Amino acid sequence: GAGVSQSPRYKVAKRGQDVALRCDPISGHVSLFWYQQALGQGPEFLTYFQNEAQLDKSGLPSDRFFAERPEGSVSTLKIQRTQQEDSAVYLCASSLEGSTEAFFGQGTRLTVV
Amino acid sequence: KQEVTQIPAALSVPEGENLVLNCSFTDSAIYNLQWFRQDPGKGLTSLLLIQSSQREQTSGRLNASLDKSSGRSTLYIAASQPGDSATYLCAASPTGFQKLVFGTGTRLLVSP
Repeated sequence: GAGVSQSPRYKVAKRGQDVALRCDPISGHVSLFWYQQALGQGPEFLTYFQNEAQLDKSGLPSDRFFAERPEGSVSTLKIQRTQQEDSAVYLCASSLEGSTEAFFGQGTRLTVV
Repeated sequence: KQEVTQIPAALSVPEGENLVLNCSFTDSAIYNLQWFRQDPGKGLTSLLLIQSSQREQTSGRLNASLDKSSGRSTLYIAASQPGDSATYLCAASPTGFQKLVFGTGTRLLVSP
């Protein structure tokens, strides 16, 4: 596709529910990143993939957060047993190998009620 | 740990004014620094990327400078327009890490 695509755009989850957020990066982009953006804040790094390998997951806030990219293309961010503090916009970005110039998707706004 | 700060948090100017947004970072060991624009409910659009070896980059009415030694970057917007209204974010890419560290942004409102 022409850009990074994320789905769904909006997700409302009841507290305790599991959610899965999808990211489809730009074709040919080796690197993929997930960020979390709370209201009024800048994005914060969650995790980084190079192809299918998850090379950095230091930003994942708890073991309820899990990300995968099994075939080195589409990635899924899964949040188990959602809590109110998980409410945020989840942004996905991709970049070419060796480049730190990141291209972002429009994000998924998660609201936990 | 790299920390990025942006001032002011919000700025309101009349159309036509030239303005400067400020970004500071605590660790000068960076690959590059990027400026992004974010419109309400939207993702981030990359505006300018300055490599660590560069001092500035220009695109149209936008000019970004980088001073690694002082840990500062500025984004200069010339002849501001209402369409420039958005949140502007700067992000540093720390050396040795494949990630961006963002500031909290400057909310810009340009009035007609």
